[in-house]
This record gives sequence, C-alpha cells and structure tokens, in this order.
Amino acid sequence: EVQLVESGGGLVKPGGSLRLSCVASGFTFSKTWMGWVRQAPGKGLEWVGHIKSQTDGGTADYAAPVKGRFTISRDDSTNTVSLQMSTLKTEDTAVYYCSTVANRNSWSWGQGTLVTVSS
Amino acid sequence: QSVLTQPPSASGTPGQGVTISCSGSSSNIGSDYVYWYRQLPGTAPKLLIYRNNERPSGVPDRFSGSKSGTSASLAISGLRSEDEADYYCAAWDDSLSGVIFGGGTKLAVL
Repeated sequence: EVQLVESGGGLVKPGGSLRLSCVASGFTFSKTWMGWVRQAPGKGLEWVGHIKSQTDGGTADYAAPVKGRFTISRDDSTNTVSLQMSTLKTEDTAVYYCSTVANRNSWSWGQGTLVTVSS
Repeated sequence: QSVLTQPPSASGTPGQGVTISCSGSSSNIGSDYVYWYRQLPGTAPKLLIYRNNERPSGVPDRFSGSKSGTSASLAISGLRSEDEADYYCAAWDDSLSGVIFGGGTKLAVL
C-alpha cells in the first residue's frame, strides 16, 4: 500500500523559509516522479511542482508563482522528497500535499501539512 | 482564475446520475489526458479517473470519464450520500508547462 507522510508545516513570518518533507513507502520510490500540490484555505487545488526520477534526469519543474522561491529535491536512499520554501508570502498559506506522479499528474496523495505565513 | 472551467456546484438525488463538465483549450485538454479527483470534506484528494476514462483499481464503475476536443466530463451514476464531495479536473498545460486544475465542483446529494 502506498503511504506518503508529510511533515514540517507550521507558522512562519512573511519573508521566512520552511522545509517540508514527505516520506514514502509501499512502492519503488527511486523510479517514481514525485510532486507537490497545495490548497489555500477554502480554495481549490494548485500545482506546485514535481521532480522526475533520476533515470528520467532528476530535474524539477515548478509553477510560475513559486519558481525561484521553492526547490524540490529527493533522496532516494531515504525515500524522501522535500520542498524547500523561501521568501514566503502570505499567499503561500495552504495545505501542502505530497503525491506520486504518473504521466505528469498526481496519483496517490499524502494527508497534507499546513503552512501558515503570517506576521 | 482557473484555466480549466468547471461549474461551481452540482446536485442530484440518491440513485440519480450527474455529470460534471470541464472546459479547457488546445494547450491542455485538447492535447493531453484529463484526470479527475474527488476530495471528501477534510481529507486529501483521491484519484478517480486517469487518462480521460480509466479507473484506478478500487474505484467503482459508477464513475466514468470522457473527453471530446477541449472539454471533458465526469459522470456519476447511482448517486449515494457519500458522493458529496468536491470534484476537480486536471490536465498538463503545454503553454504553462505545468499541471492545471479546474476550480472544483461541489456536489450535493439532496
């Protein structure tokens, strides 16, 4: 059974940084693209980005609103994908979901972790 | 404003069928697969339909997807109270080089 467990959410001031982690199990992590999707309170889903498997180049793609501020990385030795967020803005407040990615779209999802950006 | 357009709400009575539409353009639905997700209140989204009309294992055949040109639809038959949820369509957009979601449709089972 696929399991994705996010952690690292919390309260951070505007301009600050935060690192989210997602530990995966139940599938071959090293062969799987991984992604992040967020959902602002009371709003819809928004794609954040994804990272390819190492065999597919290991590069990451990002949504325009986070490009240059967020970095997705992966550690295949610990089955962990991370989202490093910097220069955070109030509009980054959201629940952040980790997901497996197939054909560039999310497949299995974690339970999410809440990030609140507020002074 | 979402690039994929969904009706904000839909409704039906138990046992009935309902269809949710998703309208896009040639750079997304018109050129790639459509995915559908269901999000029950307070929970993470779950994949319902992939590649326009395929169901992951465990998703009942009451759920079906279709696509024509730059539009797609999710049909739910035999509505149940537990189908009350938010439904989202999604597709890769070549112009944006990213995944785009519809704004979501809140389904009420009256």
